[in-house]
Amino acid sequence: GAGVSQTPSNKVTEKGKYVELRCDPISGHTALYWYRQSLGQGPEFLIYFQGTGAADDSGLPNDRFFAVRPEGSVSTLKIQRTERGDSAVYLCASSLRVGQGPDTQYFGPGTRLTVL
Amino acid sequence: QQQVKQSPQSLIVQKGGISIINCAYENTAFDYFPWYQQFPGKGPALLIAIRPDVSEKKEGRFTISFNKSAKQFSLHIMDSQPGDSATYFCAASRRGILNKFYFGSGTKLNVKP
Repeated sequence: GAGVSQTPSNKVTEKGKYVELRCDPISGHTALYWYRQSLGQGPEFLIYFQGTGAADDSGLPNDRFFAVRPEGSVSTLKIQRTERGDSAVYLCASSLRVGQGPDTQYFGPGTRLTVL
Repeated sequence: QQQVKQSPQSLIVQKGGISIINCAYENTAFDYFPWYQQFPGKGPALLIAIRPDVSEKKEGRFTISFNKSAKQFSLHIMDSQPGDSATYFCAASRRGILNKFYFGSGTKLNVKP
């Protein structure tokens, strides 16, 4: 079956511009996560959605970052006034999320964002 | 503050050898410890995971060893193959409904033929 997909795969933008990164989770997965992976580092949690609501956005670095999931499926990560330090691979993951125990998160291939 | 510390940063192993990657954590509330494998240009994929109620879990050539008192866990890859060459991440999450993962910094494994 189809896995998590992310578009675009690469995004190059100029400092100060606005960008949107899209994530299509696995069909039927209620939980969706955004992570940021800097070069040579592990993924760093940004935000977690359960359904349409952001259950935990404690990882968003500042108010330039915002994410939505209006219909409980596709999610968009939005970055305003991009800075060079925002350059990284942005990963999306989804999980089935049945019950309160941990469950497997399935990752997409990521969007590589480069801010010039 | 890094919640999960991983070592080594890189590892070179001969084909057929044993690859060992170590992780340590501080937060005793963590109760789920997955290992992820990532190939270049791909997202991380779950390899194997363990809960703290067992000291070891084995799946094929991959084994997690868990030491609760030392707050350490490790991944052992037996009979390492060139196809195992990838970056490996350990992670941890704590009980509760949020299922938030804290990842280590990764180990780049190179298995030489």
